[in-house]
Amino acid sequence: DAGVTQSPTHLIKTRGQHVTLRCSPISGHKSVSWYQQVLGQGPQFIFQYYEKEERGRGNFPDRFSARQFPNYSSELNVNALLLGDSALYLCASSSTWAGGQPQHFGDGTRLSIL
Amino acid sequence: AQSVAQPEDQVNVAEGNPLTVKCTYSVSGNPYLFWYVQYPNRGLQFLLKYITGDNLVKGSYGFEAEFNKSQTSFHLKKPSALVSDSALYFCAVRDNGGFKTIFGAGTRLFVKA
Repeated sequence: DAGVTQSPTHLIKTRGQHVTLRCSPISGHKSVSWYQQVLGQGPQFIFQYYEKEERGRGNFPDRFSARQFPNYSSELNVNALLLGDSALYLCASSSTWAGGQPQHFGDGTRLSIL
Repeated sequence: AQSVAQPEDQVNVAEGNPLTVKCTYSVSGNPYLFWYVQYPNRGLQFLLKYITGDNLVKGSYGFEAEFNKSQTSFHLKKPSALVSDSALYFCAVRDNGGFKTIFGAGTRLFVKA
């Protein structure tokens, strides 16, 4: 079975632009979470979606938004990009939205802001 | 509030020697604890978890972790390190009523041949 897939793998944008990142979860997984990993740090939680509804949001500004589609894939949108948004964006899927199930991560989208 | 601390930025060990990567946590309820590994230019890969039961849990690639409730620790261990174990290791916690997973800052493990 295919793992979590993310696209694109790399992206270069300039300040003020908008970006959309995409994620396809493992087949059968209904929960998708998004994380930001800045170089040298651990992943920081941005959003979790389960059954197409937002279940949780981390401490990120309103410039960050996301949605989940009927096939459980997900998009992360970031508006008005800042230099500080440069990071690896990770998507993770799991079978449930809480509890002890581990998350399965994609290889991420590396976003560079010039 | 939940938090995770990994006190060592880097751990160096010789191949064949035992390794320990330390993790302490803070959570309001009963914790769900996880270890993940990250190789260069890759996402995180699940190693093992503690939910309940035995304090010593076994995971992938010969890794194990010891849960200590009184010390709020969940240290990752391996009896004999391999050069291929060299990677970035993350400890993570989730409280049993929540959805949010908190990751530590990571510990870089370097195994020398």
